[in-house]
Amino acid sequence: GAVVSQHPSWVICKSGTSVKIECRSLDFQATTMFWYRQFPKQSLMLMATSNEGSKATYEQGVEKDKFLINHASLTLSTLTVTSAHPEDSSFYICSASQGTGRLYEQYFGPGTRLTVT
Amino acid sequence: QQQVKQSPQSLIVQKGGISIINCAYENTAFDYFPWYQQFPGKGPALLIAIRPDVSEKKEGRFTISFNKSAKQFSLHIMDSQPGDSATYFCAADRTGNQFYFGTGTSLTVIP
Repeated sequence: GAVVSQHPSWVICKSGTSVKIECRSLDFQATTMFWYRQFPKQSLMLMATSNEGSKATYEQGVEKDKFLINHASLTLSTLTVTSAHPEDSSFYICSASQGTGRLYEQYFGPGTRLTVT
Repeated sequence: QQQVKQSPQSLIVQKGGISIINCAYENTAFDYFPWYQQFPGKGPALLIAIRPDVSEKKEGRFTISFNKSAKQFSLHIMDSQPGDSATYFCAADRTGNQFYFGTGTSLTVIP
């Protein structure tokens, strides 16, 4: 149980284009989803937290107009990197949580490798 | 400010040996301490987790030791195997709030 999928697993796009990454909880309802960015051999950096049906909360320094997050349902959240540039190349990982009380374990997706050329 | 400090950055252990990774935190409000295992190109996977009401938790070859007064917790991997070679992250959380991750430890188990 508690499986989280991401799609695509890797994507290459040209500078200036937009890329959408999907995160799905396959066997549970995710009240909260998190988006992380990870550079090679570094830790996970939280970008934003999203709750179903409400606007995402972005961490300091993360441009909300550049990284659009939509948590449209209890099983789906999307991250859109708008007008991507080479410096946006990174490994993006989502996680999902059942949310409240003691049910706050985060289950991570397999990640999406974004390369902007 | 690094909420959770993790050491060592890298670790090489002989097959069959014990791997020990340490983490320390400052915020006494943290009440959940998971460890994640990450293989290259994959997302982190929950390995084992502990809450501050116990001092130790064991699951198979993996043990978490928790010292509340010292605000430290550690992961012990007994009988380390080459398949355990991965990056390990500790984390700390306050009742459903965001996770604060350590900087990671790259473990290599040599045959």
